[in-house]
Amino acid sequence: DTEVTQTPKHLVMGMTNKKSLKCEQHMGHRAMYWYKQKAKKPPELMFVYSYEKLSINESVPSRFSPECPNSSLLNLHLHALQPEDSALYLCASSQALAGNEQFFGPGTRLTVL
Amino acid sequence: AQSVTQLDSQVPVFEEAPVELRCNYSSSVSVYLFWYVQYPNQGLQLLLKYLSGSTLVKGINGFEAEFNKSQTSFHLRKPSVHISDTAEYFCAASYNNNDMRFGAGTRLTVKP
Repeated sequence: DTEVTQTPKHLVMGMTNKKSLKCEQHMGHRAMYWYKQKAKKPPELMFVYSYEKLSINESVPSRFSPECPNSSLLNLHLHALQPEDSALYLCASSQALAGNEQFFGPGTRLTVL
Repeated sequence: AQSVTQLDSQVPVFEEAPVELRCNYSSSVSVYLFWYVQYPNQGLQLLLKYLSGSTLVKGINGFEAEFNKSQTSFHLRKPSVHISDTAEYFCAASYNNNDMRFGAGTRLTVKP
């Protein structure tokens, strides 16, 4: 299985809602990532987990809260988002060593009203 | 700061013509280079990667890239493109950690 899955595919939420994005991989990868991608822009790194521990947080606002419950799962909890947070949220995974390719999921298209 | 520069934001070409998408990276003792493709409303798919060894790297879908250390470049090439190659292409670099830096992207449009 060389696939990273993400749910939901689309999400529309209000600014007062609480929702979660989910990501799963079964490739035995020990590094997992969240990226935010705006239209016609490259992915921007948000968080990196290595061996289930948060290793990189790119100064992301606290309304985004990541969680890595085990080596196969990665969540992104959303609360009190702003319309400018609307974007494609991509999850990726890789072997936890430098130089390893990242495998990307299809993304969750988030719209904040 | 380490960075990746893609020199062309858009590249229009005719079907069956050759194409080159240009990428330059910040020089470092150790760098790993990647090209990804993104089709509309999808995630990124790896085309090819350079870790070490031969400077000419062959990837999927007939693409290849050449690592040039003196010019700090990693240009992507294909001798004959198809309509289905129309997509966004990202060059990326990883420097000794799990932090991957992406270029701004090049939109390849293949016209009939």
